[in-house]
Amino acid sequence: QQQVKQSPQSLIVQKGGIPIINCAYENTAFDYFPWYQQFPGKGPALLIAIRPDVSEKKEGRFTISFNKSAKQFSLHIMDSQPGDSATYFCAASMGGAQKLVFGQGTRLTINP
Amino acid sequence: SAVISQKPSRDICQRGTSLTIQCQVDSQVTMMFWYRQQPGQSLTLIATANQGSEATYESGFVIDKFPISRPNLTFSTLTVSNMSPEDSSIYLCSVGVGGYTFGSGTRLTVV
Repeated sequence: QQQVKQSPQSLIVQKGGIPIINCAYENTAFDYFPWYQQFPGKGPALLIAIRPDVSEKKEGRFTISFNKSAKQFSLHIMDSQPGDSATYFCAASMGGAQKLVFGQGTRLTINP
Repeated sequence: SAVISQKPSRDICQRGTSLTIQCQVDSQVTMMFWYRQQPGQSLTLIATANQGSEATYESGFVIDKFPISRPNLTFSTLTVSNMSPEDSSIYLCSVGVGGYTFGSGTRLTVV
């Protein structure tokens, strides 16, 4: 019940395309769903996060779609660029500043 | 969001030795989290460190192997004890202030 399942494991998209990464969870007590971007040799950096009372959130080229009934959420990257090539992790937590449960990660490659 | 300084950034250690990793935050926080990221893998929580109390360890992690100190609200250390090559990982500290923030990590190689 504590798991967050992420797919796909890897994704290759042409520049300008819209990569979509999906996550699913079981624990309905989760109330905070962030996405992280990690470049090699760096710690994860918070990209965008959503709470279950909202179905969509946009920040720049990044959009989270949230489906509470399906217990799924996804990350869309608009107008993707080669600089977006990184590993992306979804995560979930509950009850304030509590521990994060991470998905398995998606290695995204944006080809020029 | 908080700014985290983590030291060392990387180290190569002999098996059987111990390494202490430091995490300094630029603001006072109640909880600090220590994660492990094995090569090519996701992040797994090792323990939660509260100031003034014993750390809470996740299943599969024990205090004898990963002792944690939390002397004040801005600092914590994680020690990886009696290391083996299987401990080669990136170790990261995190705080949940303004969204969860991570340090840049400590890349540990055990030889």
